[in-house]
Amino acid sequence: GQSLEQPSEVTAVEGAIVQINCTYQTSGFYGLSWYQQHDGGAPTFLSYNALDGLEETGRFSSFLSRSDSYGYLLLQELQMKDSASYFCAAPPWGTYKYIFGTGTRLKVLA
Amino acid sequence: DGGITQSPKYLFRKEGQNVTLSCEQNLNHDAMYWYRQDPGQGLRLIYYSQIVNDFQKGDIAEGYSVSREKKESFPLTVTSAQKNPTAFYLCASSRGANTGELFFGEGSRLTVL
Repeated sequence: GQSLEQPSEVTAVEGAIVQINCTYQTSGFYGLSWYQQHDGGAPTFLSYNALDGLEETGRFSSFLSRSDSYGYLLLQELQMKDSASYFCAAPPWGTYKYIFGTGTRLKVLA
Repeated sequence: DGGITQSPKYLFRKEGQNVTLSCEQNLNHDAMYWYRQDPGQGLRLIYYSQIVNDFQKGDIAEGYSVSREKKESFPLTVTSAQKNPTAFYLCASSRGANTGELFFGEGSRLTVL
């Protein structure tokens, strides 16, 4: 089967750096995406890795290693507004079927 | 402004009733999706459609039905066969599988009384 596993919860303080991991079990996919979702809201797109390596977008960076079946989202200079759930997502090769990870709830403490 | 519009935002239904959730997009995207989210949980794929007049079952299609008669529209019907329909329903669209980005509507929250 195809699955993307994430830690259920991560806690960090304002100004810190936090890494949210995503490990996957799938034969192959186009790339790995990351989404943020605040309570009661819809997911919003953060980042996409089509190739192995690091992608940087402001305070957020995302990394993918296909050989290790692993990716992560890195959030720097944490702010209270970053408290939310974060999901990785990927469509397997040959399909438009975007599968989402189990999700990580990030709590940012003052 | 381009985007995805879901309606209604909140919906209450009695047991045994079918209900249809609307999803319209003006982004000219080929692919559209329906996800279900339960409290504190992730997104589970119900149905998706890559092109007009074609759609595929996701992981939890039982008790749901869809149609894709127009590129802009992908309505979801929650039938009485769905045993536990109370949930947050999210519609999304994308240009393709290799673009990495799904655009989401604001969601529809269905409560069965």
